[in-house]
Amino acid sequence: AQSVTQLDSHVSVSEGTPVLLRCNYSSSYSPSLFWYVQHPNKGLQLLLKYTSAATLVKGINGFEAEFKKSETSFHLTKPSAHMSDAAEYFCVVRLGFQKLVFGTGTRLLVSP
Amino acid sequence: NAGVTQTPKFQVLKTGQSMTLQCAQDMNHEYMSWYRQDPGMGLRLIHYSVGAGITDQGEVPNGYNVSRSTTEDFPLRLLSAAPSQTSVYFCASSSAGSHEQYFGPGTRLTVT
Repeated sequence: AQSVTQLDSHVSVSEGTPVLLRCNYSSSYSPSLFWYVQHPNKGLQLLLKYTSAATLVKGINGFEAEFKKSETSFHLTKPSAHMSDAAEYFCVVRLGFQKLVFGTGTRLLVSP
Repeated sequence: NAGVTQTPKFQVLKTGQSMTLQCAQDMNHEYMSWYRQDPGMGLRLIHYSVGAGITDQGEVPNGYNVSRSTTEDFPLRLLSAAPSQTSVYFCASSSAGSHEQYFGPGTRLTVT
């Protein structure tokens, strides 16, 4: 069965420092992977997606993720955190018929 | 273009009551889904639909019914509310050729 594991429930960074949110996936074939962001009391917004094209995927707001098959990882990074990046981030794998399986989420805290 | 809308935003029910959570989208998307979000568990798929008249169960369907009589609307019915159904419910839609799901703002349901 396909699944994703987010390795950290909380990540704290200072404004201007790099962000790394870790995600490992489990899949018997090449998966479609996504990162979604949820700001407090809001719905979810797609940050970026990997669908078997380039392994380095660029998303919105300066985020990017690299698909590494050898490590079964799809970590989310950003060179410099901004206060507005504070939110919860979900790593997601897609099954057939638009069914998404979500990780448990990583809450990103950004301090000034 | 309102995207995906959900009503109500908040609801409190007593155990055993029934209610319907409304979801509508104006993007002519074929696919629609209902998720529930619980602390530490990410989002879990309840039911989904690949077109008008077609629905199927997701990961956690028990206690919920859905129907899809039009492309635009996908209501979620709680037949007899239980405290275990206290959660935040998200509706999402996507087009058949796209990997991106668009989420509504959510409905926060409390069952006492």
